[in-house]
Formats: sequence, C-alpha cells, structure tokens
Amino acid sequence: ELKVEQNPLFLSMQEGKNYTIYCNYSTTSDRLYWYRQDPGKSLESLFVLLSNGAVKQEGRLMASLDTKARLSTLHITAAVHDLSATYFCAVDIGWNNNDMRFGAGTRLTVKP
Amino acid sequence: NAGVTQTPKFRVLKTGQSMTLLCAQDMNHEYMYWYRQDPGMGLRLIHYSVGEGTTAKGEVPDGYNVSRLKKQNFLLGLESAAPSQTSVYFCASSYDYRWSNQPQHFGDGTRLSIL
Repeated sequence: ELKVEQNPLFLSMQEGKNYTIYCNYSTTSDRLYWYRQDPGKSLESLFVLLSNGAVKQEGRLMASLDTKARLSTLHITAAVHDLSATYFCAVDIGWNNNDMRFGAGTRLTVKP
Repeated sequence: NAGVTQTPKFRVLKTGQSMTLLCAQDMNHEYMYWYRQDPGMGLRLIHYSVGEGTTAKGEVPDGYNVSRLKKQNFLLGLESAAPSQTSVYFCASSYDYRWSNQPQHFGDGTRLSIL
C-alpha cells in the first residue's frame, strides 16, 4: 500500500527558530511537490523537486529530495509568524498522468 | 488572470439529492483533476482527465461521476449525495507532466455539506 507520511503533523515553534518537516513515501518516485495551505484557502505551490539530490530554496524555506531514501525535507530557517500555515508534500506516482498522493499535512504555528 | 475557478463555493444538500460542481480553467491545461479534502487528511484524488473527452478514476471514485466535454471545463457530479461525501472539494489543472515541470494549479475549493 502506498503511504506518504509527514511528520510532525503539528508543529508549534517560536519566531526565530529553525525546524525541519519530513516527508517519507513508500513507492518509487522522482517527482515531489510541496504546497502551502492557509486556513480556508486553496493550495499554493512552493517547490517542485524533480530528481535525486534536488534542493530548492525560497526565502526562509528550503526543500530537498533523496529518492533513494524516499525522503523529502522542508527546512524552516528563522521562522516568522507569516509562515504559519499547513504544509503538504505530494508524491507523483503516475506513469501517464500527474497522479499525486498527498501527505496528511503539517500544521505549523509560529508564535511571537 | 482567473486561473482555476470553482462554482459554487458553498453548498448544503440533503441526503439523496444530486448536484454538479463546475471547474473552469483558462490556462489551456490538458490535465484536470478533482480532489476531496477531509479534516486531518491530505487531498485524495477522485477522478482526473488527461484531455477533452477523457476521464479516469483516481483513488476514491465511488459515488462520483465526471465529464469533460470542453477542454476548459471539468464537471464533478454526485448522483445521490451521502453524508460521507461532506468535504471540501478542490479542482486542479496542469500541463501534460511529460512536457512540463510545472505543478498543478488549484481552485479555491467548494465546501459541501450533506445533511
């Protein structure tokens, strides 16, 4: 059975601190996505990781992909309140379509 | 710059009623998708389409039907609504992933309650 597991599911952190969200998946894939969702809103694409060893950074967020370990990480540097949201990883398992399986999400709260 | 537009945004149905959710995209995307999102869970794929006139089942297709008569539109139908179908429904679209590295683009969602 395909599993996409994120941890932690809930994360409360202080502003200025660093932390990492993990996304493990159980099937072969070389295409992984990170999305952000604010409460009651749609999903916003953050990163598209397309190969083993891929690393992408945008502001205080950095994502990486290790396809051999079937692991992706989303690292938060010096968190600020505006980063409070739910973060989802999604693994593309399709061979003829963009068939994504989502993790359950990590609800991040950054406190002043 | 509309992107992906879903209608309606909210709807309350009684068990057994039918309804259709509409998704429209103006980005000339080949692929379109319907997901549902339940509390504490990520999105789950209901049905998808890889082009006009085509549809296919996703992870949780039971109780739903879809149609894609025009490239820009993807309809999700509930023939006989059940309380278990209470959820937030998201539509998404994308280019053919074999030729593009772009992610899926999502609509704002439809919050559906079945009483």
